[in-house]
Amino acid sequence: KAGVTQTPRYLIKTRGQQVTLSCSPISGHRSVSWYQQTPGQGLQFLFEYFSETQRNKGNFPGRFSGRQFSNSRSEMNVSTLELGDSALYLCASSPRQGDYEQYFGPGTRLTVT
Amino acid sequence: KNQVEQSPQSLIILEGKNCTLQCNYTVSPFSNLRWYKQDTGRGPVSLTIMTFSENTKSNGRYTATLDADTKQSSLHITASQLSDSASYICVVSEDTGGFKTIFGAGTRLFVKA
Repeated sequence: KAGVTQTPRYLIKTRGQQVTLSCSPISGHRSVSWYQQTPGQGLQFLFEYFSETQRNKGNFPGRFSGRQFSNSRSEMNVSTLELGDSALYLCASSPRQGDYEQYFGPGTRLTVT
Repeated sequence: KNQVEQSPQSLIILEGKNCTLQCNYTVSPFSNLRWYKQDTGRGPVSLTIMTFSENTKSNGRYTATLDADTKQSSLHITASQLSDSASYICVVSEDTGGFKTIFGAGTRLFVKA
């Protein structure tokens, strides 16, 4: 069974631009969670999607948004990028909502200049 | 405020030696505690998951312990190998009927030949 895939793996953007990251969960998994990882803050929860609905949300500004499609694939969008948004963005999939058995993807490394 | 604190921040050991990583948490009500291994540039991989009633869980050379009374956990690595060089992240989830997870900052382990 293929693992969680994330695209692109690396991305360089300029301040003020917007970016869209993609995550394909493990086949059969319906929950997708997004995390931001920075050296100073560690892993921080952004949001969780299940059955195309956002079920949980972390403490991030409205510039961070996401959505989930009927095939469980998910996208995350960050608008008006700031230098502080430079981070590794990780996606994790689970069979069920809030399932603690999460499988992480390799992440997308976003650099904002 | 729910927190997860890990120690040490970093650790250097010789190949073949054992080591123990610590995790203290204040998360309440407690649901489960997970240890993840994260290689540089990759997503975290689950090592162990423990619920309130479990106090030991092993995965090969990795053994996690949990003392729910003192809210402490440890991850013991036996006969370390060069491939054990990674960050080890302690993750604690709340039992609120919803899904809320707090990540520790991680311990960076370096295994030297």
